Amino acid sequence: QQQVKQSPQSLIVQKGGISIINCAYENTAFDYFPWYQQFPGKGPALLIAIRPDVSEKKEGRFTISFNKSAKQFSLHIMDSQPGDSATYFCAASGMMGSTLGRLYFGRGTQLTVWP
Amino acid sequence: NAGVMQNPRHLVRRRGQEARLRCSPMKGHSHVYWYRQLPEEGLKFMVYLQKENIIDESGMPKERFSAEFPKEGPSILRIQQVVRGDSAAYFCASSQSSTGELFFGEGSRLTVL
Repeated sequence: QQQVKQSPQSLIVQKGGISIINCAYENTAFDYFPWYQQFPGKGPALLIAIRPDVSEKKEGRFTISFNKSAKQFSLHIMDSQPGDSATYFCAASGMMGSTLGRLYFGRGTQLTVWP
Repeated sequence: NAGVMQNPRHLVRRRGQEARLRCSPMKGHSHVYWYRQLPEEGLKFMVYLQKENIIDESGMPKERFSAEFPKEGPSILRIQQVVRGDSAAYFCASSQSSTGELFFGEGSRLTVL
């Protein structure tokens, strides 16, 4: 079963707008939540990550919001640019048992930013 | 400072042949992971290895697939008697520890004719 559920599947945003991608998880053993960016023909690259001891983390135009009680986290891209057009994956991993050392990925969101 | 190196980048095999995918982790990284990505899908975990040890192979099909990470040399993902359903992008990632950041290679794209 899909351990991390991601939505929307695709997203079209005007240049300068805000892109929002949401993820939800069930396994309470997860304690590390990264976001990856992938361009066509390339491997995923870590964009930003958060641990559950904080509710928000910001790096430049990228912000992760984390709601531990709801088991949800989201990526916000402020002032979206055409160069941000890529596929974004949320993921989760933990420190115990089957969650240790492996990432569970969402199915991805294809973001297109129109100029 | 080379990243995770994977080769070949593209591989074409006919049904029934063998495919060997190689991965050299980043310098100083002893943890290697293999993931498979099908079109329009996220990455699915296959196997987690440390030098000479398979730590977790729960995501790998029981038959035809095997992985190793020898003391010397790259990690190898081996697929025997390939079938069309094996066509996918296979990504290798490495980290310094089991809880460290994963760095991905650019992938090996396998096409089975």
